[in-house]
Amino acid sequence: NAGVMQNPRHLVRRRGQEARLRCSPMKGHSHVYWYRQLPEEGLKFMVYLQKENIIDESGMPKERFSAEFPKEGPSILRIQQVVRGDSAAYFCASSLNAVSGANVLTFGAGSRLTVL
Amino acid sequence: KNEVEQSPQNLTAQEGEFITINCSYSVGISALHWLQQHPGGGIVSLFMLSSGKKKHGRLIATINIQEKHSSLHITASHPRDSAVYICAVRETSGSRLTFGEGTQLTVNP
Repeated sequence: NAGVMQNPRHLVRRRGQEARLRCSPMKGHSHVYWYRQLPEEGLKFMVYLQKENIIDESGMPKERFSAEFPKEGPSILRIQQVVRGDSAAYFCASSLNAVSGANVLTFGAGSRLTVL
Repeated sequence: KNEVEQSPQNLTAQEGEFITINCSYSVGISALHWLQQHPGGGIVSLFMLSSGKKKHGRLIATINIQEKHSSLHITASHPRDSAVYICAVRETSGSRLTFGEGTQLTVNP
């Protein structure tokens, strides 16, 4: 059981390029959450997905950001036309169930995006 | 005012000391998480609480639902405990987590 796998761990992009961050949840987990940690700031919720569905994207910027969790393969957080303010650590977490307060979250190691 | 407030923001202790980190929240919750983030950046889930108290090794977490307050205690602290400790709450109205700003703990040998 490899846990939550995120890649790449580090990504450097120039302004205007696209960034794609991948998250493979723990085996058996069908709920994925993305969080962003800006430099010197706390973690902030971005989006919650189940297989093939976006459940809650209230924390996602309205433009340039999108997320998906296809039936097969990892969840992907996509940032188009990156700007310097997108530089942050992006964490993925997965859980077995969602609504119950008793479910446990497992975090990935994070993907650190640097926009030059 | 943040929905989740942690105190202190920074804490320096000597090895062996008893550590307490506090978390207060202002919303109704279904669960509260304590997380640990090491200097390398990885996040580990330490506890998830909905009531009472949990213990794991030298770590103890308590929650008082009526007072909307939780504490994380570390007994016999060690330099390897140095990390950022983050409180996060899952609101009853949804499934998202709201995080505190974190407490930077440094334990000196």
